[in-house]
Amino acid sequence: NAGVTQTPKFQVLKTGQSMTLQCAQDMNHNSMYWYRQDPGMGLRLIYYSASEGTTDKGEVPNGYNVSRLNKREFSLRLESAAPSQTSVYFCASSEAHVGAYGYTFGSGTRLTVV
Amino acid sequence: AQSVTQLDSQVPVFEEAPVELRCNYSSSVSVYLFWYVQYPNQGLQLLLKYLSGSTLVKGINGFEAEFNKSQTSFHLRKPSVHISDTAEYFCAVRFTTLNAGGTSYGKLTFGQGTILTVHP
Repeated sequence: NAGVTQTPKFQVLKTGQSMTLQCAQDMNHNSMYWYRQDPGMGLRLIYYSASEGTTDKGEVPNGYNVSRLNKREFSLRLESAAPSQTSVYFCASSEAHVGAYGYTFGSGTRLTVV
Repeated sequence: AQSVTQLDSQVPVFEEAPVELRCNYSSSVSVYLFWYVQYPNQGLQLLLKYLSGSTLVKGINGFEAEFNKSQTSFHLRKPSVHISDTAEYFCAVRFTTLNAGGTSYGKLTFGQGTILTVHP
């Protein structure tokens, strides 16, 4: 099925370890987003890529980096994981950053940092 | 700062009863409005959206929402809920930003979520 694919679905890291969350979409969307979801706080934007070749910080970028590898793929990297980064991470895509478009979401990555 | 507030963190309701999930946003300028649903251990799915035109918007699964510009609200309603409607619901707003080329609409801002629990 067409959509947004995230890998892995689950991950446990030790404090200080690094990892990369992968996201790919097959809808030819231009814009991609990384959110984190924490109880009672809704979804908070970490980074986004309005179009291939561009990335920008969202509300909570500290401790993260991103790469827009090509139009399909947008990865999120934790260089030195901290317990505060325990969360559910969602990738989303949209036809364009501006305009009347909603987002299509992946199924999420549940990350625990111990 | 632009913000989205969902007024109830949890809403318990009995099956076949009506329900309203409330959402208010901070800005009075033009916006696009969305409601998403998240079932346990899944991603978010679009329920409905308001872009322009009629203020009453119908979505999937029998849900509807009404845009009230003066109240800056976009409340979600369903006249009769089912057990299967148990999920978390998120209101999201696309606020206007002004760039050199004129008006544009950027990223979505989400509310904190409302957990709807339908009891038999």
